[in-house]
Amino acid sequence: QVQLQESGPGLVKPSETLSLTCTVSGGSISGYYWSWIRQPPGKGLEWIGYVHYTGTTNYNPSLKSRVSISLDTSKNHFSLKLRSVTAADTAVYYCAREDLDNDGYYYVDSWGLGTLVTVSS
Amino acid sequence: EIQMTQSPTSLSASVGDRVTIPCRASQSIDTYLNWYQQKPGKACKLLISGTSTLQSGVPSRFSGSGSGTDFTLTISSLQPEDFATYYCQQSYSTPWTFGQGTKVEI
Repeated sequence: QVQLQESGPGLVKPSETLSLTCTVSGGSISGYYWSWIRQPPGKGLEWIGYVHYTGTTNYNPSLKSRVSISLDTSKNHFSLKLRSVTAADTAVYYCAREDLDNDGYYYVDSWGLGTLVTVSS
Repeated sequence: EIQMTQSPTSLSASVGDRVTIPCRASQSIDTYLNWYQQKPGKACKLLISGTSTLQSGVPSRFSGSGSGTDFTLTISSLQPEDFATYYCQQSYSTPWTFGQGTKVEI
C-alpha cells in the first residue's frame, strides 16, 4: 500500500515561494502521475497539476504561470513550487497519486494527509 | 473549465437510511466521474471511478450511476462510519475539477 507524506514550511510570506515535498513510500514512482491538490479553509478541492513519471507535466491554467511540479525518482519524491503567493494561496495542500486505467479513466487513488500552508507576513 | 455542482452541500440522515448524493457537470463528461470520501484527519479515499466502478475494499452498499451531466452516489444503508464529506470529480478534461462536496451528518 503506497503512502504519501507532505513536508515543508507551514508559513510563507506574501510574494515568496511556497515549496513542498511529497515522499512516496511502499511503492514505485514509475507508471503513475503524481499530483498536488489544495483545499482552502472551508472550501472545496482544487487540482493544481501533475507530473508523470516520464517528466511530462500538466498544470491548472489558473495557476500555470506560478507553479512547477518536479520529480526526483532517485529519492522517490516529488515537489511543488508556487511562486508569488498571496493570502488566497492559504490552504491545506495534498499530494496524491493518479492512475489511468485500461478504459481511459483517470482517478486519484492515493492521497497524503495534507499539510496546512498559511500565507501571512 | 468544467464546473461540477453538488447540491445540497450537507444533508442529515440516520443509520440505515438510503442516501443519494447528486452531482452535475456543466457540460457532458460521458462517464468520466469519480467519487471520494473525506473524513477529518484522514486521507481522502477513492470510492468509485468511471461513474460506477467500485474500488477494491469499498463496501458494496456504495454505488454510482449516471452519464453525460447528471450523476449520483448512492449509499444503500448508511453506516456510522459513512458520516463524512463526499466529493465528485470529473476526469474528462484537465483541469480536473471537483464538486463543492456534500457533508453527510446525523
